Amino acid sequence: EPEVTQTPSHQVTQMGQEVILRCVPISNHLYFYWYRQILGQKVEFLVSFYNNEISEKSEIFDDQFSVERPDGSNFTLKIRSTKLEDSAMYFCASTLTVNNYGYTFGSGTRLTVV
Amino acid sequence: DQQVKQNSPSLSVQEGRISILNCDYTNSMFDYFLWYKKYPAEGPTFLISISSIKDKNEDGRFTVFLNKSAKHLSLHIVPSQPGDSAVYFCAARGNNNDMRFGAGTRLTVKP
Repeated sequence: EPEVTQTPSHQVTQMGQEVILRCVPISNHLYFYWYRQILGQKVEFLVSFYNNEISEKSEIFDDQFSVERPDGSNFTLKIRSTKLEDSAMYFCASTLTVNNYGYTFGSGTRLTVV
Repeated sequence: DQQVKQNSPSLSVQEGRISILNCDYTNSMFDYFLWYKKYPAEGPTFLISISSIKDKNEDGRFTVFLNKSAKHLSLHIVPSQPGDSAVYFCAARGNNNDMRFGAGTRLTVKP
């Protein structure tokens, strides 16, 4: 069964450093998403991406965040200058069409900012 | 953002009995509702969904009920099995194609 792959599974970074979280969505999917879950809290929407541009973003997704689909297969989330409160599980998801509501999620990257 | 609420953080049921997981929402623009199941160290896995034009959708042991007037949906699992033990997230989607999740309910099914 096709999978959404995320790397690394765990990333530890120092506060103020830049991190890039990588995702390989399912190959024929067209819509891509990043969500995060701070430990013990709800899964929160960050951003959706379609046709090489952001289609929707939440208030969490400020200027420190950016997304890119650099080569047609990878979908990356960059945090420019990490803060302690960015520590969370980050989940990438993809879906084929807007009518396919069952997003496929990756296993997540645990980001720890120290 | 409290548009989707799951007020019960945990639920424990005996194997073979019914599990009922509840979810409330506030945004009347949501047109699709989903349930996801999550095991530790894994991403959420899509379980079942329902369109706002329906009031019930059934898939094997899983049934989702939607009460639009009450802005309430529930997931019924019957019979519950120990392998159903996981965190269940309710999610809702509007016409902007992004989902809002509830806080999750940890279901424990005891043998």
